[in-house]
Amino acid sequence: NAGVMQNPRHLVRRRGQEARLRCSPMKGHSHVYWYRQLPEEGLKFMVYLQKENIIDESGMPKERFSAEFPKEGPSILRIQQVVRGDSAAYFCASSPPRDQPQHFGDGTRLSIL
Amino acid sequence: GENVEQHPSTLSVQEGDSAVIKCTYSDSASNYFPWYKQELGKRPQLIIDIRSNVGEKKDQRIAVTLNKTAKHFSLHITETQPEDSAVYFCAASRSWGKLQFGAGTQVVVTP
Repeated sequence: NAGVMQNPRHLVRRRGQEARLRCSPMKGHSHVYWYRQLPEEGLKFMVYLQKENIIDESGMPKERFSAEFPKEGPSILRIQQVVRGDSAAYFCASSPPRDQPQHFGDGTRLSIL
Repeated sequence: GENVEQHPSTLSVQEGDSAVIKCTYSDSASNYFPWYKQELGKRPQLIIDIRSNVGEKKDQRIAVTLNKTAKHFSLHITETQPEDSAVYFCAASRSWGKLQFGAGTQVVVTP
């Protein structure tokens, strides 16, 4: 049973470009969470999604960031007009429908030049 | 919102000794408390978790205790080994939703 799959593992963008991070949850998991980890810091919640629904986006910056989890395909975290401060590791986690732990992917390390 | 504080930020122990990491939380509605281990450059891995209706849980060398009244929970690692060296994060959540993480504890086990 494959784990949570994230790609790309590393992404380099120049300031002003767009970054698209993808996350495929574990088989049978319908809940997806995105977290951001700045260097040598803890993980900060960004957004919680179920298929075609955003459940909680209280951790998302108000501008430039968006997330989706379509009926078909992976969840996407999109960052428009990236700035240096967006450099971080972005982790996706997934869980089954009810009352189960979250399992994390290997993350996408985003570097902004 | 929930605020989780974690201490200490670094912990150095001799191989074979015990390690204890403590966390406090602010939201009395939090009812799920997992612990994750993260090695350098790797994913956070769930090592143990506890629900609010349980005071203690043990899995081999790892145990977690929860004091709901004081809003404290702790991770105990006994007979530490070099492979226990990593960053450990505590977290809290309501009803299995978003996780609020502590700042992490860097554990170094010296042979």
